[in-house]
Amino acid sequence: NAGVTQTPKFQVLKTGQSMTLQCAQDMNHEYMSWYRQDPGMGLRLIHYSVGAGITDQGEVPNGYNVSRSTTEDFPLRLLSAAPSQTSVYFCASSAGGGPEAFFGQGTRLTVV
Amino acid sequence: RKEVEQDPGPFNVPEGATVAFNCTYSNSASQSFFWYRQDCRKEPKLLMSVYSSGNEDGRFTAQLNRASQYISLLIRDSKLSDSATYLCVVNEMGFKTIFGAGTRLFVKA
Repeated sequence: NAGVTQTPKFQVLKTGQSMTLQCAQDMNHEYMSWYRQDPGMGLRLIHYSVGAGITDQGEVPNGYNVSRSTTEDFPLRLLSAAPSQTSVYFCASSAGGGPEAFFGQGTRLTVV
Repeated sequence: RKEVEQDPGPFNVPEGATVAFNCTYSNSASQSFFWYRQDCRKEPKLLMSVYSSGNEDGRFTAQLNRASQYISLLIRDSKLSDSATYLCVVNEMGFKTIFGAGTRLFVKA
């Protein structure tokens, strides 16, 4: 089982560049979410989706966009990267609302 | 005040020791509670749910005290492989899940 697959695993961006972090799950889960994890802080919710075509903001949505055109995919777009977005990003999915049962392996993003 | 607070540790314990982690949450309307484990540079993994009646999974026991808004995790007979960061997680309503910053555990031979 692939579970939740995130790509890329590592990325370095220059300030102002844009990019998309990919997330795909093969478990037919309706709920998917994106988190960022910074040292000394818990995972913070960026955006989430409760099904195809439905997304909503989490705790720290500024600077990020999402879309959910299929059940399987939930990409996260950084519009104009800033050093404050240097973080580890996790995508997660579950069959229903909380807890996030399955996490991807993470994307370590550095913005210089 | 943070919504979910944990002692960051680290807790350094010898193999075979019993260790307990505590967690407090601020929203009395919180509905469900969990412990996750996160290994260094890895993704979090669900360890166990936490119920008011207390629940056990092998060497792990979780307790919830709603009146005090307090959650605990007890690990008995610690193994080297238990070394990790333990995240306290609270689900408030529907899709609002709050993660604590985690407690680091090092188990030494």
